[in-house]
Amino acid sequence: DAGVIQSPRHEVTEMGQEVTLRCKPISGHDYLFWYRQTMMRGLELLIYFNNNVPIDDSGMPEDRFSAKMPNASFSTLKIQPSEPRDSAVYFCASSFRRRGSNEKLFFGSGTQLSVL
Amino acid sequence: DAKTTQPPSMDCAEGRAANLPCNHSTISGNEYVYWYRQIHSQGPQYIIHGLKNNETNEMASLIITEDRKSSTLILPHATLRDTAVYYCIVRLPDQTGANNLFFGTGTRLTVIP
Repeated sequence: DAGVIQSPRHEVTEMGQEVTLRCKPISGHDYLFWYRQTMMRGLELLIYFNNNVPIDDSGMPEDRFSAKMPNASFSTLKIQPSEPRDSAVYFCASSFRRRGSNEKLFFGSGTQLSVL
Repeated sequence: DAKTTQPPSMDCAEGRAANLPCNHSTISGNEYVYWYRQIHSQGPQYIIHGLKNNETNEMASLIITEDRKSSTLILPHATLRDTAVYYCIVRLPDQTGANNLFFGTGTRLTVIP
């Protein structure tokens, strides 16, 4: 397996523009996570899905952020409109879980977002 | 979740063992200890996890004290490629089976040639 695949690797946009980040999880994994990493706040969990259904989006900073998972092999994180404070590295991760188990999270290489 | 305390940075000579400490004095009986690392410009990578007993895999060893209030990650023969930020996390699997991990600031390990 190629691992978790994220695109684009780098994104530079202007304030007010819409940004869409993409993620392909590892085949067979039933959980998908979106994290954001900044120098000030470290790694923050934004939202996670189980079997394509959003379970907890309490980490999403505000209504400008939205995430979807239309099928088991694809997820998007959208920011509209984007602001300079959204500049960060966005990571997608996936895992396979059974109730009460301790599994590994597999992370993608991230998308470096710069909003000018 | 129990909070963890790690030194912000450490150095280790190449080829020597790197011992990374983590304090988790408020850990509860069923919480596991996880270690991840993040090499520059990459996503975090799972290393190892444990509950009570010491654990070893191809990457590292995890030593958990008897009272479980602290642990040490050991990289037996550090190489330059082990230079990374190492995160110690404690977490109890919740009722939904969603074992979410919340990362702190970690320890920045620099392996010196």
